[in-house]
Amino acid sequence: GAGVSQSPRYKVAKRGQDVALRCDPISGHVSLFWYQQALGQGPEFLTYFQNEAQLDKSGLPSDRFFAERPEGSVSTLKIQRTQQEDSAVYLCASSLGGQFYGYTFGSGTRLTVV
Amino acid sequence: QKEVEQNSGPLSVPEGAIASLNCTYSDRGSQSFFWYRQYSGKSPELIMFIYSNGDKEDGRFTAQLNKASQYVSLLIRDSQPSDSATYLCAGDTGRRALTFGSGTRLQVQP
Repeated sequence: GAGVSQSPRYKVAKRGQDVALRCDPISGHVSLFWYQQALGQGPEFLTYFQNEAQLDKSGLPSDRFFAERPEGSVSTLKIQRTQQEDSAVYLCASSLGGQFYGYTFGSGTRLTVV
Repeated sequence: QKEVEQNSGPLSVPEGAIASLNCTYSDRGSQSFFWYRQYSGKSPELIMFIYSNGDKEDGRFTAQLNKASQYVSLLIRDSQPSDSATYLCAGDTGRRALTFGSGTRLQVQP
């Protein structure tokens, strides 16, 4: 596609509910990143994929967070048993070959846990 | 101490003035730095990147990097109200992904 596509654009979840956020990167982009951005803060790294391999998941805040990219294109970030502190914008970014090229970000998914 | 530090602002400049945005980083091994612009409610948009010491110019924007001082800056000449946004500095701080600062909010007054 022309850009990085994320869905849904907005998600309201009741505390304890599981959610799945989707990212469709730019075609041909090898690297895919998930970030969490709290209000008034910069994006915080969650996890990184190179093709289908998850090479770094050190930023995932707990074992409730899980990400996958099984075929090396679309990625899903899953949050189990959501909590209020999970409320944030979740940004997906893709890059042709890694961080040295800079990222193209998707529009993000705003998650609100009530 | 955060790996990439920015003053949160707001930085207020009059229209037509030069806006100077600054960023410091703690990892001396960092090689590349990026400036992103983020409008309220929107996703970050890449403006410029810089790898080498010195200045890099692109239109009204100039990025400056001083690795000895661990300092990165972005100058915006002839600031316009449409430049009002949050500017995020990011660096490759020793991990596979970029590390972002908290951002500086710029307000350009007409």
